[in-house]
Amino acid sequence: KQEVTQIPAALSVPEGENLVLNCSFTDSAIYNLQWFRQDPGKGLTSLLLIQSSQREQTSGRLNASLDKSSGRSTLYIAASQPGDSATYLCAVRHATDSWGKLQFGAGTQVVVTP
Amino acid sequence: GAVVSQHPSRVICKSGTSVKIECRSLDFQATTMFWYRQFPKQSLMLMATSNEGSKATYEQGVEKDKFLINHASLTLSTLTVTSAHPEDSSFYICSAQGAGTKNIQYFGAGTRLSVL
Repeated sequence: KQEVTQIPAALSVPEGENLVLNCSFTDSAIYNLQWFRQDPGKGLTSLLLIQSSQREQTSGRLNASLDKSSGRSTLYIAASQPGDSATYLCAVRHATDSWGKLQFGAGTQVVVTP
Repeated sequence: GAVVSQHPSRVICKSGTSVKIECRSLDFQATTMFWYRQFPKQSLMLMATSNEGSKATYEQGVEKDKFLINHASLTLSTLTVTSAHPEDSSFYICSAQGAGTKNIQYFGAGTRLSVL
């Protein structure tokens, strides 16, 4: 059974520092991996999606890498801002799941202080 | 991007009543919809997967008679929590995907259910 782990569970940094969020998964047979942002009491906003054949994806200040063989993905957020404060979730889709079910990690709660 | 609307955003009900939550895809046809439950400080747990026109498939441990899911059209799925009890209080989130979204899931804003 796929297990998705996110470390650290919580992170607090001063504004301007770079953020590094880690996601690991036990079954490397994934179809894709996705990073989401969740604000308190809100739904999910998709940030980046990496296909299994890709090594990284970039969007603005966000960069996500994927090392499928070692079961790891890292989300980098450059020059953090207070508006980046949120919980970040990673989720994997198994390669053989025809319906596209996602397995989520527990998330990393990020606080960026001004 | 694709938009998924979830309603209501918050509901408070008495123990023993039933509550219906709607999930709509506004600008695409959702052949598959997913229902998740999230407890405070925890991640999303998949409850069930529904394909339009067929019965939902529930994850292990989820009571299908308690959490009724209907996916009668390509744009609407509903989750009904029957005879709700305080332990059913949680944050429920739906997501939808279809060929038009390249089978990427888009999420609703969630429903906060509080059972008194």
